[in-house]
Amino acid sequence: DAMVIQNPRYQVTQFGKPVTLSCSQTLNHNVMYWYQQKSSQAPKLLFHYYDKDFNNEADTPDNFQSRRPNTSFCFLDIRSPGLGDAAMYLCATSRWDSQSRETQYFGPGTRLLVL
Amino acid sequence: KQEVTQIPAALSVPEGENLVLNCSFTDSAIYNLQWFRQDPGKGLTSLLLIQSSQREQTSGRLNASLDKSSGRSTLYIAASQPGDSATYLCAVMSAGGTSYGKLTFGQGTILTVHP
Repeated sequence: DAMVIQNPRYQVTQFGKPVTLSCSQTLNHNVMYWYQQKSSQAPKLLFHYYDKDFNNEADTPDNFQSRRPNTSFCFLDIRSPGLGDAAMYLCATSRWDSQSRETQYFGPGTRLLVL
Repeated sequence: KQEVTQIPAALSVPEGENLVLNCSFTDSAIYNLQWFRQDPGKGLTSLLLIQSSQREQTSGRLNASLDKSSGRSTLYIAASQPGDSATYLCAVMSAGGTSYGKLTFGQGTILTVHP
C-alpha cells in the first residue's frame, strides 16, 4: 500500500516555464518535507511544513515555493526553472509531537528534467 | 551546523565478502541515525534506524552500530550479493531547535558487488 505518493514520477519542463510537483500521503503525518537531490549528491532539504507552519531552509532559492492545502497534500512550485534545477525531488513525511519522534517516510521521487 | 561524512565514497567487492560502510557526524545531539539504500534513479528505502539511546540494530544480513559520543556509525553487510549493489546513505536526525525531524544526509557510498 502506497503511503507517500509523488506525481508525476518524471517531469520534463522548459527553461523558465513554471512547474508543480505533487506529494500526497495516507499516513496522516503532521510534517511534510521536500528534498532536492542532484546527481551523485546527498539529498538536501529545501523546506518543510510542521502542520500549517512553513519552514524554509536558509539557502533555498526564492525560485522554490511550497503549498500545503491540507494534511494529505503538499506541492512544490518552481517558478522559473533553470538548467541547474534538474534533479530528483523527494517528498517525505513524519509524525512529530511531544509524544512521538518518528522516522521519515519517503516517496519514490519525481525526476525533473529542464530543457 | 550538522555535517555528515561517509567513507568510502565507492566500494567494489566480489560476491560473498563481508563489508563495512562508515558514517561520521559532527554534532552528537541527535535523536536517531538512519541508513538508507538508493537504487539508481529511485527513491530512498529505509534499512535500519538506530535511536540515540541504542548501540546497534540488526536486520537480516545488515547490522548497524552507533557510537553517539564519538559521532560514528557503521553499517556491516554480511555475505554480500550482487543485489546489494546500490548507494547507501547515512542520515542523522538532529535534536534541539525547531528541527522537526529534519534529516542531514551524507554523500553516500556507492557499492558494487560483482559475481
